[in-house]
Amino acid sequence: DQQVKQNSPSLSVQEGRISILNCDYTNSMFDYFLWYKKYPAEGPTFLISISSIKDKNEDGRFTVFLNKSAKHLSLHIVPSQPGDSAVYFCAASARGNQFYFGTGTSLTVIP
Amino acid sequence: DAGVTQSPTHLIKTRGQQVTLRCSPKSGHDTVSWYQQALGQGPQFIFQYYEEEERQRGNFPDRFSGHQFPNYSSELNVNALLLGDSALYLCASSLPRQGFQETQYFGPGTRLLVL
Repeated sequence: DQQVKQNSPSLSVQEGRISILNCDYTNSMFDYFLWYKKYPAEGPTFLISISSIKDKNEDGRFTVFLNKSAKHLSLHIVPSQPGDSAVYFCAASARGNQFYFGTGTSLTVIP
Repeated sequence: DAGVTQSPTHLIKTRGQQVTLRCSPKSGHDTVSWYQQALGQGPQFIFQYYEEEERQRGNFPDRFSGHQFPNYSSELNVNALLLGDSALYLCASSLPRQGFQETQYFGPGTRLLVL
């Protein structure tokens, strides 16, 4: 039972444009959400997080939006850079319990 | 400041064998979680260790066991290996619990191939 879903396996974006990565979840008890970036042969690298008490969190070029009513979160990268090309995972947890990960979206930023 | 380290980086075993993977957490972190990532999938939670005890466990059989040492490092043991155990095994560490929200930091993983 996949509680966190990333329905787009891949995304291509021109350099300088906005990248929007989406994530849906089914468990309404989730209260903490994370985005990770993963390069080949490396472990996931933490990007940004958001608590369920917020609907937006921003860190430099990265912004995460949370829509609790729709059980949806998204990661915006502006402007996109070639170095952003990687697989992006969203993850969610409920009250400090285990994290559930999506299957990832492979982002390619075209120079 | 060293991040999360794991050893070995790669491992090849045959069915039925046993394997031990090792993890050292990020400095200052006392909680270690283990994940299995199959090809094309996201990481799946195996279990988490805190104060040398297994605190939470995912949906994995008893063939998967672990240990945490007083210095917070951890081992993942898998017995009676199956072909389906071939995967990237990731270790993640986190700070002492603050409320219910803790960010996990991952190591580079150990790639296990079972033949």
